[in-house]
Amino acid sequence: QKEVEQDPGPLSVPEGAIVSLNCTYSNSAFQYFMWYRQYSRKGPELLMYTYSSGNKEDGRFTAQVDKSSKYISLFIRDSQPSDSATYLCAMRTNNQGGKLIFGQGTELSVKP
Amino acid sequence: KAGVTQTPRYLIKTRGQQVTLSCSPISGHRSVSWYQQTPGQGLQFLFEYFSETQRNKGNFPGRFSGRQFSNSRSEMNVSTLELGDSALYLCASSLGPAGGIWETQYFGPGTRLLVL
Repeated sequence: QKEVEQDPGPLSVPEGAIVSLNCTYSNSAFQYFMWYRQYSRKGPELLMYTYSSGNKEDGRFTAQVDKSSKYISLFIRDSQPSDSATYLCAMRTNNQGGKLIFGQGTELSVKP
Repeated sequence: KAGVTQTPRYLIKTRGQQVTLSCSPISGHRSVSWYQQTPGQGLQFLFEYFSETQRNKGNFPGRFSGRQFSNSRSEMNVSTLELGDSALYLCASSLGPAGGIWETQYFGPGTRLLVL
């Protein structure tokens, strides 16, 4: 079993829809949680960064962390065709430096 | 400010050869990490360098090695290439020792390696 599980999709939604992306994890030592967006043939781009449990909002993006359930989510409001990309969750512990453990990534397509 | 740059962007090698990939971090960033991305395994951590010292290493064979120079630029080397080494190799940089509470990593565009 992988440390971080993420449904690879693909996920297709109409423009303007609310998108929900999720990851589950098994290592309770994870403290830092990130969401990256990766366009085709590009490197991952950091979207959201949260520490421990709680919510964080940035424009149309909201990240949620529920450590008790070992579950993290990314919500995208008013989705746009330009949001079409692969979304990767990533997380790390407090004592392994910068080693990030990634989910498999969810491929999202937003149709006009 | 310029982002993370990686060279070359594309590379074709044959089995048994070796390859060296280069990464220049964002100006002022002193920590560099390397990742391998494949369709089957996703993104996997290779190693992390700070101040020319390897701080962390992933579960890859010894054929994979790296180093960091005094100007924070980093190289990774893969010897005796195998078909399974075909992947996108990504470099990420951060300001200080990646591991601080607010430390975040910024990725370069990657080097796409094809082993024939």
